[in-house]
Amino acid sequence: KAGVTQTPRYLIKTRGQQVTLSCSPISGHRSVSWYQQTPGQGLQFLFEYFSETQRNKGNFPGRFSGRQFSNSRSEMNVSTLELGDSALYLCASSASRDRGSSSYEQYFGPGTRLTVT
Amino acid sequence: KNEVEQSPQNLTAQEGEFITINCSYSVGISALHWLQQHPGGGIVSLFMLSSGKKKHGRLIATINIQEKHSSLHITASHPRDSAVYICAVREYGGSQGNLIFGKGTKLSVKP
Repeated sequence: KAGVTQTPRYLIKTRGQQVTLSCSPISGHRSVSWYQQTPGQGLQFLFEYFSETQRNKGNFPGRFSGRQFSNSRSEMNVSTLELGDSALYLCASSASRDRGSSSYEQYFGPGTRLTVT
Repeated sequence: KNEVEQSPQNLTAQEGEFITINCSYSVGISALHWLQQHPGGGIVSLFMLSSGKKKHGRLIATINIQEKHSSLHITASHPRDSAVYICAVREYGGSQGNLIFGKGTKLSVKP
């Protein structure tokens, strides 16, 4: 089974621009979560999607948004980029079926390293 | 105060040594994850625990729910174990991916 894939792997953008990152989960996984990793804050939860619905959102401004498609692929978008948005953005998929289910392992993608200049 | 605390922050060991990394948390949880991150960023899930103990090869993870504490042990450490080890918890009632992460423990194993 192919793992979680993320595109692009590296990206350089300018302040004020917007960016879209893509994540393809493991086949059969319907839950996709996004995380931001910075040297100062470490790993932080951005949001989680299941069956095209956002289930949960972390403490990030509205400039950060996402969506999930019917094939479970997910995209996240950051508008009006700031220097502080420079980070490694990771997505992870799991086989979770619903909020009340047992915990499932998270399988992480390689990440997209975003640099904002 | 961080909800997930790891210790130590940095750890240097000689090849063959027994290593312990600790994780304490302050919230009620339904699961705890141990993750490994190599230089370059890729993260691998090592263990997911909700009680007791799990073993995989030279790695052992334990959790004490009452004490809100977990440990990751590496027996017979090897230079290839050099990585950052991250503890993450899923808060009780929280959704699958809504994890709270520790700051990580950077392990360096010298030959």
